[in-house]
Amino acid sequence: ETGVTQTPRHLVMGMTNKKSLKCEQHLGHNAMYWYKQSAKKPLELMFVYSLEERVENNSVPSRFSPECPNSSHLFLHLHTLQPEDSALYLCASSQGLGEETQYFGPGTRLLVL
Amino acid sequence: AQTVTQSQPEMSVQEAETVTLSCTYDTSESDYYLFWYKQPPSRQMILVIRQEAYKQQNATENRFSVNFQKAAKSFSLKISDSQLGDAAMYFCAYNSNSGYALNFGKGTSLLVTP
Repeated sequence: ETGVTQTPRHLVMGMTNKKSLKCEQHLGHNAMYWYKQSAKKPLELMFVYSLEERVENNSVPSRFSPECPNSSHLFLHLHTLQPEDSALYLCASSQGLGEETQYFGPGTRLLVL
Repeated sequence: AQTVTQSQPEMSVQEAETVTLSCTYDTSESDYYLFWYKQPPSRQMILVIRQEAYKQQNATENRFSVNFQKAAKSFSLKISDSQLGDAAMYFCAYNSNSGYALNFGKGTSLLVTP
């Protein structure tokens, strides 16, 4: 595997389910990100981790819970989601913060019923 | 807060022709970075080109080039010799040297016709 991978690629869940999204980067980067892409809205940053420490939490509801066990892996744990949380969730990584280029995974398309 | 505006929701170009996608941004920072990303139907966000604000020379990557006008806060993307595989959503994005998040525009949908 190369670049940034995400699993699953598609997920359908009920509002009472608990599920997790996984992201893995094979680029040796130190920073990882979760973004949310909803229809007709710009991409929104959700969380940023640098060297496994969370450095940004962009006013995201607590039903989204990130986890970064090491610099190569990032998870997004989901519980009691709402239908409006249906979106494409994109993971990205970069060598560092700020000026560094971010490289994206293919995304997980989430549908909450 | 920084904002990125893409005023063209949709653009169309014929194969082998040239098209320019517009982007303007608003910032009070002097040190920042601008990007164009492409998102084809697969939804993978792919980096097309990057420009450092401190560089006066416009970035180029093969058929892709930018026209960076710092004073006007304008950052347009020119695609030369358009190919069918260029059809995608194109996003302009901004990040400052001190920031974390890429600030994205709403995107321009590019259609390439044979």
